[in-house]
Amino acid sequence: DQQVKQNSPSLSVQEGRISILNCDYTNSMFDYFLWYKKYPAEGPTFLISISSIKDKNEDGRFTVFLNKSAKHLSLHIVPSQPGDSAVYFCAASGAGGSEKLVFGKGTKLTVNP
Amino acid sequence: GAGVSQTPSNKVTEKGKYVELRCDPISGHTALYWYRQSLGQGPEFLIYFQGTGAADDSGLPNDRFFAVRPEGSVSTLKIQRTERGDSAVYLCASSRTLQETQYFGPGTRLLVL
Repeated sequence: DQQVKQNSPSLSVQEGRISILNCDYTNSMFDYFLWYKKYPAEGPTFLISISSIKDKNEDGRFTVFLNKSAKHLSLHIVPSQPGDSAVYFCAASGAGGSEKLVFGKGTKLTVNP
Repeated sequence: GAGVSQTPSNKVTEKGKYVELRCDPISGHTALYWYRQSLGQGPEFLIYFQGTGAADDSGLPNDRFFAVRPEGSVSTLKIQRTERGDSAVYLCASSRTLQETQYFGPGTRLLVL
């Protein structure tokens, strides 16, 4: 039973445009959400996070939005750059007081020059 | 070093053999986590340590898997009687304390023939 779902396996956007990656979760006990970026043959790299007490967090070109009522979060990248091409994983933690991360399956983003 | 390091980077073994995977966390990080990533999936939690003790080992799939962190720094994940289904990338992460951001190593790619 997937508690964190990324329903789009892939996304392709043009350089300079906005990339929007989506993530849904089912466990209302999650209280912290993260996005990681992963290049081939490397470990996941932390990108940005958001606590459940907020609905938006921004860091440079990256913004994460959280809609608790819909159990949905999204990552916006503006403007997208070819170097952003990677697999993006959504993750959640805090259910049952555990610090373990529960990951989605990832979305492969391709930014075309 | 500056980041989490894992050795070996690749390991090929035969079904039934014993393997050990090592993780060196970021210096000063008290929490250490192990995850496993199979092809096409997101990382799946195995176990995490706070100091020397396993705080949550609920993700270990069976008793063939065991992990230790005897001095609160380096950790070893041990797999007995390996099976082909154990083939995956084994990821280690560390965080300064529990509830802080987890930073991942590059992973160990295990192939069981």
